[in-house]
Amino acid sequence: DIQMTQSASSLSVSVGDRVTITCRASEGFGNSLVWYQQKPGKSPTLLIYSASTLQSGVPFRFSGGGSGTNFTLTISSLQPEDVATYYCQQYASAPWTFGQGTKLEIK
Amino acid sequence: EARLSESGGRLVQPGGSLRLSCAASGFTFGNYAMSWVRQSPGKGLEWVAVISGTGGSAYYTESVKGRFTITRDKSDNTVLLQMKGLRVDDTAVYYCAKLPTKWYGEFYFDTWGQGTQVTVSS
Repeated sequence: DIQMTQSASSLSVSVGDRVTITCRASEGFGNSLVWYQQKPGKSPTLLIYSASTLQSGVPFRFSGGGSGTNFTLTISSLQPEDVATYYCQQYASAPWTFGQGTKLEIK
Repeated sequence: EARLSESGGRLVQPGGSLRLSCAASGFTFGNYAMSWVRQSPGKGLEWVAVISGTGGSAYYTESVKGRFTITRDKSDNTVLLQMKGLRVDDTAVYYCAKLPTKWYGEFYFDTWGQGTQVTVSS
């Protein structure tokens, strides 16, 4: 199984900050990676697929990058409504696996 | 707009059985693969099972093989997860999720339901 590791379990940031969340895979696989956002008490929603393609309706302040084993999710200017837990997921090979999540909090 | 709504979760004893249901609307059901994903405090998000748009193919995560069965019914646009031999570590919120394609390649989830809680405890 491919193990997905998000380097930080939580981040405390200020409104307006640029935030980068990282995700590392135990083996390389190109760009078959997505990012989800899960707000408190809600279901996950898809933000980015193919590592860097923004899902329709997602604000442009979100962007994704990386390939192989190292991936990033960047929020260019954090807004209060971005408080959530963010998860990466690989879909290169079954079983499709998730990172453990990075919880964003406002300072 | 695609919508998914799960039902059927409840408290069940270890070794028991349960059937979860997911009602789909707002999209052409047979054109998309469907999946179940669970979330627990201890294990985070975990993909459980997936079924192709035609219903002819299905995959399972190793820990549920032989115990869980995913099926779909095109007559009423529902996805079912039949669970038997339930264990304490199956306790989780179970989400129904839609994939962006009928089957090949894009095994991620572009629409999620609100989830249904399954608790396995004596």
